[in-house]
Amino acid sequence: DTGVSQDPRHKITKRGQNVTFRCDPISEHNRLYWYRQTLGQGPEFLTYFQNEAQLEKSRLLSNRFSAERPKGSFSTLEIQRTEQGDSAMYLCASSYKDSYEQYFGPGTRLTVT
Amino acid sequence: GIQVEQSPPDLILQEGANSTLRCNFSDSVNNLQWFHQNPWGQLINLFYIPSGTKQNGRLSATTVATERYSLLYISSSQTTDSGVYFCAVERSGKSTFGDGTTLTVKP
Repeated sequence: DTGVSQDPRHKITKRGQNVTFRCDPISEHNRLYWYRQTLGQGPEFLTYFQNEAQLEKSRLLSNRFSAERPKGSFSTLEIQRTEQGDSAMYLCASSYKDSYEQYFGPGTRLTVT
Repeated sequence: GIQVEQSPPDLILQEGANSTLRCNFSDSVNNLQWFHQNPWGQLINLFYIPSGTKQNGRLSATTVATERYSLLYISSSQTTDSGVYFCAVERSGKSTFGDGTTLTVKP
């Protein structure tokens, strides 16, 4: 079991560009979560999948943000027309079907210049 | 939504001291987890504790769900315990984190 992986680990982009992050959950974990964390705060929930279905979506997830999990395995989070306020750590977590205990990946740190 | 408050926000200890971190939440929840965030940002699972008491080495945790709080105890603290401790509560798949307690253990 290799744990949750995220790619890339760091991303620097210019304002207005689109970015896409990938998350690979622990194998056989059917739930997958995305969070955003800014300096000095706890992670903020963005969205949650059970298999390929997106079951919850935060109001934080504006129409510039979209997440997919097409085959119920890996997931992608896309941010369109990035803004400086999008600079943050983006965290992914997964959990097994019989438990809501979440395991986190190392995160993708986004810097928008 | 559910509010999660952690206290104290900052804690400075001498190595070998004991400490108690608290997490209060505003509504009933299905699950509660404690995490330690290392300097590189990785969240490390400490306890998955919707209710009751668990122990793991020098760390233990107690959740009293009916009174909407959880406590994390660290005994005989070490410098490697330094970092930010978060509690997170979950209901209907959505998790809410507190803002954390930043622990500094001095040698």
